[in-house]
Amino acid sequence: QAGLTQPPSVSTDLGQTATLTCTGNNNNVGHQGAVWLQQVQGHPPKLLSYRDNNRPSGISERFSASRSGNTASLTIAGLQPEDEGDYYCSAWDTSLSGWVFGGGTKLTVL
Amino acid sequence: EVQLMESGGGLVQPGGSLRLSCGGSGFTFDSHWMSWVRQAAGKGLEWVATIANDGSEKYYVDSVKGRFTISRDNGKRSLYLQMNSLRVEDTAVYYCSSANLGWGQGTLVTVSS
Repeated sequence: QAGLTQPPSVSTDLGQTATLTCTGNNNNVGHQGAVWLQQVQGHPPKLLSYRDNNRPSGISERFSASRSGNTASLTIAGLQPEDEGDYYCSAWDTSLSGWVFGGGTKLTVL
Repeated sequence: EVQLMESGGGLVQPGGSLRLSCGGSGFTFDSHWMSWVRQAAGKGLEWVATIANDGSEKYYVDSVKGRFTISRDNGKRSLYLQMNSLRVEDTAVYYCSSANLGWGQGTLVTVSS
């Protein structure tokens, strides 16, 4: 199954804002939006947002998601050391009838 | 608080079978579609299977079709994955998840002789 496209790595300074991108097509990201997940080394994925910018309870407002056409974005404001990790996007693909994932972006806080 | 807890992983020989379970609490279980997603060591996330909230629809990644079966028992608030004809390449941590609720801690499945 074809996947979503994410940059392999992003590095941003402590306290600054990082923006991660995820590109799909009209059948997935462009249709129902994306889900964003954070995975810190040795831990399971953690849901950050779904359907573009819906945050589960307990997720900081520093994390905000958006979408423009077939590209979804996750913006992390006021970067903290604990924000380092791998970030994955995912979307339901209506043509494949399944979830597709991006390869993940490794975020480094400098 | 939403909680998802997997169990049933372990070591199995190629060609063997295993049944994974996932219990849900803290949410209306029978209102949510549920999925299994796996992650091989050092790799990214791979979707395995999804089931509708009432079990009426089931979807699988091509590599497990005919070998894995997803099911649920809403009365027991449980999700299952029956895995048959296991292959070495099925080795991974298996997570149960709900797209708008969260993920479990995962259970490790190792297929090796």
